[in-house]
Amino acid sequence: DGGITQSPKYLFRKEGQNVTLSCEQNLNHDAMYWYRQDPGQGLRLIYYSQIVNDFQKGDIAEGYSVSREKKESFPLTVTSAQKNPTAFYLCASSLPGQGFSGAEAFFGQGTRLTVV
Amino acid sequence: AQSVTQLGSHVSVSEGALVLLRCNYSSSVPPYLFWYVQYPNQGLQLLLKYTTGATLVKGINGFEAEFKKSETSFHLTKPSAHMSDAAEYFCAVSEGNNNDMRFGAGTRLTVKP
Repeated sequence: DGGITQSPKYLFRKEGQNVTLSCEQNLNHDAMYWYRQDPGQGLRLIYYSQIVNDFQKGDIAEGYSVSREKKESFPLTVTSAQKNPTAFYLCASSLPGQGFSGAEAFFGQGTRLTVV
Repeated sequence: AQSVTQLGSHVSVSEGALVLLRCNYSSSVPPYLFWYVQYPNQGLQLLLKYTTGATLVKGINGFEAEFKKSETSFHLTKPSAHMSDAAEYFCAVSEGNNNDMRFGAGTRLTVKP
């Protein structure tokens, strides 16, 4: 079945450590996104990528980094510079790349990151 | 950039009552509008979307929404609530000249028996 897979589902990190969240899709989608979800704040855009080897910062990119070396993969690294990384992280993808925005986004099941 | 405001972080209705979740958007170009539902510790699932054409959009699970350009609104309704509708609902907007989607803060729907 086609879909988006995020792993792991739960992740614990010590303060000062970098950690990478995985996102893989087999939908052949061009665009991929990372959102952060905090209670009462909805989803906030961290980074998005419209095509391989290209990505743009969203509203809250500080302390995060991404890469897009393959169409199906868009990993997110939460660095030690992110001051409050405990949150629920959602990855999404949509079909078109640049120039058209009418397509829906398909979401993974999320990764809950906790700093201990 | 485009943005969305959802009025009411929590809405509570009785089973069988009308569900109305409010969404207003801001966009410099004709928008594309979406409603998503999220169950606890899950990703988001699309309920319905408006791109062009008919302004009344029907979605899954009996939900519908009407695009009103003059009011910059895209409110979600369902005539009769079921217990299974209890979840968090997000309104989202994207524009035609880029591909980033922006979400509202969400509305948590509680359905009382």
